Amino acid sequence: SQTIHQWPATLVQPVGSPLSLECTVEGTSNPNLYWYRQAAGRGLQLLFYSVGIGQISSEVPQNLSASRPQDRQFILSSKKLLLSDSGFYLCAWSAQGQPQHFGDGTRLSIL
Amino acid sequence: KQEVTQIPAALSVPEGENLVLNCSFTDSAIYNLQWFRQDPGKGLTSLLLIQSSQREQTSGRLNASLDKSSGRSTLYIAASQPGDSATYLCAVRRAGNMLTFGGGTRLMVKP
Repeated sequence: SQTIHQWPATLVQPVGSPLSLECTVEGTSNPNLYWYRQAAGRGLQLLFYSVGIGQISSEVPQNLSASRPQDRQFILSSKKLLLSDSGFYLCAWSAQGQPQHFGDGTRLSIL
Repeated sequence: KQEVTQIPAALSVPEGENLVLNCSFTDSAIYNLQWFRQDPGKGLTSLLLIQSSQREQTSGRLNASLDKSSGRSTLYIAASQPGDSATYLCAVRRAGNMLTFGGGTRLMVKP
């Protein structure tokens, strides 16, 4: 069966520090991969999606970037975090045309 | 640009009540609509998925309807239980398997 893992579950970082959140999927190949952010009291906003290794599309301009170095690995990064980057980050995967499946999320707090 | 709205933003009901959560979307050109449940600090669990050609889907005490032409969906929960307390999100699927989410309804079922 397919599983999706995100880590860390919780992260507290100072403003201006770098960020790396990792997401891996097991039990499937060539998945579509997604990064979402959920700000406090708001819905999920799609940040990035990827249909293959090295193929990243950005939905909104921001301080973050994404990379897909391997088929089932999706990384969300920042060189210098802003206060506004605080939120709950969710990774998801899907087979082509199929429903998305979500990880357990990473709670990011910026101090 | 697709916009998804959920009403009410929060709802508190006594145990045993039947309740309806509402979701509306501005662009009727959708592939499907999905209802998710999110427990605090957790990822999303898919509850029901309605294809654009369907009118409703049922799973246990949950029934979701879709009126694509009017841009509306409802999630009906029968005989609510305290374990139903969570945030309920609706999302519409657009081209490229992208999801646009509503802001969610925070449900509290009191024993």
